[in-house]
Amino acid sequence: KNQVEQSPQSLIILEGKNCTLQCNYTVSPFSNLRWYKQDTGRGPVSLTIMTFSENTKSNGRYTATLDADTKQSSLHITASQLSDSASYICVVQPHNTDKLIFGTGTRLQVFP
Amino acid sequence: GAVVSQHPSWVICKSGTSVKIECRSLDFQATTMFWYRQFPKQSLMLMATSNEGSKATYEQGVEKDKFLINHASLTLSTLTVTSAHPEDSSFYICSASDRSSYNSPLHFGNGTRLTVT
Repeated sequence: KNQVEQSPQSLIILEGKNCTLQCNYTVSPFSNLRWYKQDTGRGPVSLTIMTFSENTKSNGRYTATLDADTKQSSLHITASQLSDSASYICVVQPHNTDKLIFGTGTRLQVFP
Repeated sequence: GAVVSQHPSWVICKSGTSVKIECRSLDFQATTMFWYRQFPKQSLMLMATSNEGSKATYEQGVEKDKFLINHASLTLSTLTVTSAHPEDSSFYICSASDRSSYNSPLHFGNGTRLTVT
C-alpha cells in the first residue's frame, strides 16, 4: 500500500531557530514529491516540487531534500519566523496518475 | 501565479438542506479538479476527481449521490452536499492544475468550512 508518513507529528521551536521535518514514503514508482504549507483554516500552498531525479530544491528559507534510494525527504526551515507556524504536508505523486498521496503532516509552532 | 478561488469560505446550514460549493480557476484552464475533505488535525482525503465535460470519479466510500460534482466549464467545478447531516460537517478543499506536465503545481482553494446544525 502506498503510504507517506511524516515525523514529528508536532514540533515547537523558538523564533530564529532552524528545524527539519521528515517524510518517509513507500510510493514507487513516483513522478514527484511535494511539500506544502497549510495555515489553519486555509488551503495548502506549494513550497517545493522535486521530481524523482532531483536531490534538493530551495524556496527562500525552505530547503527540501530527496533521497529516492532510501525513500526519504526532509524539509529544512532556516531562521524560523512566527509566520512559519502551520502544518507542513509531504505529498507524493505516483507515476502516471493525477492522484496525490498526502502525508499526515507536521504541525509546527514557532514561539517568540 | 495561478489562483484557485473557492466560495463560500464558510457556511452553516440546517440538517436536511443542500449546500453548493464553487471552485474556480481564475487564470488558467483546469480540465481536472479535485475535491477533498479534511477533518481536524488530519490530512486531506481525496473525495473525487472532477473532469470537465464528463462524470466525476469518486473514491471508494464516497457517496456520489450525496456529493454531487459538476464540472461544466474549464474554470468551474461545483460540489453540492445534498441532504446534509451533522456528520458532513468538515473542511472541504478543491484543487486544480493546468496540467502542462505531471510536475505542474497543484493549486488549492482556501477551503470551505461547512457546519451542519
